[in-house]
Amino acid sequence: NAGVTQTPKFQVLKTGQSMTLQCAQDMNHNSMYWYRQDPGMGLRLIYYSASEGTTDKGEVPNGYNVSRLNKREFSLRLESAAPSQTSVYFCASTLTGANSPLHFGNGTRLTVT
Amino acid sequence: KQEVTQIPAALSVPEGENLVLNCSFTDSAIYNLQWFRQDPGKGLTSLLLIQSSQREQTSGRLNASLDKSSGRSTLYIAASQPGDSATYLCVSRGYQKVTFGIGTKLQVIP
Repeated sequence: NAGVTQTPKFQVLKTGQSMTLQCAQDMNHNSMYWYRQDPGMGLRLIYYSASEGTTDKGEVPNGYNVSRLNKREFSLRLESAAPSQTSVYFCASTLTGANSPLHFGNGTRLTVT
Repeated sequence: KQEVTQIPAALSVPEGENLVLNCSFTDSAIYNLQWFRQDPGKGLTSLLLIQSSQREQTSGRLNASLDKSSGRSTLYIAASQPGDSATYLCVSRGYQKVTFGIGTKLQVIP
């Protein structure tokens, strides 16, 4: 069972470089999320997608863009990376509704120098 | 705005001890509450999910309770083991809204 798969696992960027974090789930979930986790701050929502074709801003969207390519895939793009974007990024997915748990990927550890 | 608080922030116990982790939330209009564990440098592993209509869920040595009226959930770990050492996160879920606690870092000493 693959669940939620994130790539890459690690990435080092220089300030101003761009990159895309990939996320795919094989559980037929309709809702997908991107979070960042920083020490002492918990997980903060960057963007989410309630269904294929829709995306919405979360708590900390500045500096990021997302694409819900299809039902399986939800990518996060950093157009011009900044040191403040050094963090661990997690993708999650779930079915809309009260009974469905959240499932997380293993994270991408990003360092911007 | 939903706020989720976990107390204590860190806990150290000797192996074999029973322990309780606490989670409080401000908005009782939740769909469910989910407990995760996170090992250092790893992702989040789901432990238990309690729906808003339920009072508790059990899995092995773990028992989670939910009291919506008081805005509280607890995670009870029986007969703790060194392998239980991790950070435990409480997550509340409402309509299109997921709110995380910062977590309780647990260390079980052999």
